[in-house]
Amino acid sequence: NAGVTQTPKFRVLKTGQSMTLLCAQDMNHEYMYWYRQDPGMGLRLIHYSVGEGTTAKGEVPDGYNVSRLKKQNFLLGLESAAPSQTSVYFCASSYERVEEETQYFGPGTRLLVL
Amino acid sequence: AQSVAQPEDQVNVAEGNPLTVKCTYSVSGNPYLFWYVQYPNRGLQFLLKYITGDNLVKGSYGFEAEFNKSQTSFHLKKPSALVSDSALYFCAVRDSGAGSYQLTFGKGTKLSVIP
Repeated sequence: NAGVTQTPKFRVLKTGQSMTLLCAQDMNHEYMYWYRQDPGMGLRLIHYSVGEGTTAKGEVPDGYNVSRLKKQNFLLGLESAAPSQTSVYFCASSYERVEEETQYFGPGTRLLVL
Repeated sequence: AQSVAQPEDQVNVAEGNPLTVKCTYSVSGNPYLFWYVQYPNRGLQFLLKYITGDNLVKGSYGFEAEFNKSQTSFHLKKPSALVSDSALYFCAVRDSGAGSYQLTFGKGTKLSVIP
């Protein structure tokens, strides 16, 4: 049981390049989330999904797109990277029942945009 | 709108002493409250949560937190700090009445336990 995994662990991009971050979970969770973590800012929600085929915007969605084609996977895309997107990105997942509302986090992806 | 504040960027405590990490929140409905811990170069790990019921919540690694509705607080506590408790701690809140699945995190408090 691997929990939540993220690929890649680290990436360097040039401004304007595109990339996709992959999140996978093997806990059969309905909900999945993408956050970014910046120094002194805590975690901010980018996009989230409450089920396969559904996505919704979070607090800071601009410049990002997401897809949830399979229940276990949640992809985060950057179409044209900008230096402001330099950050650590975390994926998380959780059950839908409020009593089980604990988010399980992946190890993170460090992204540097030059 | 929901929000959470962690008024201290850093808390220093001597090993063996009690520790408190403060958190206050603002929601329009009833709050769901959480504490997470992050060790260096790792993802966040769940510590404890308050959904409903007893105001004193016990969690992992000997941590506990008390929900205080009148003061809109959810402070994290531990009776005797360990050096291994040194980490970044995040408080988070969700408004149960907002129809939203989004958690709002505080900016984090760095806890340093001094040997």
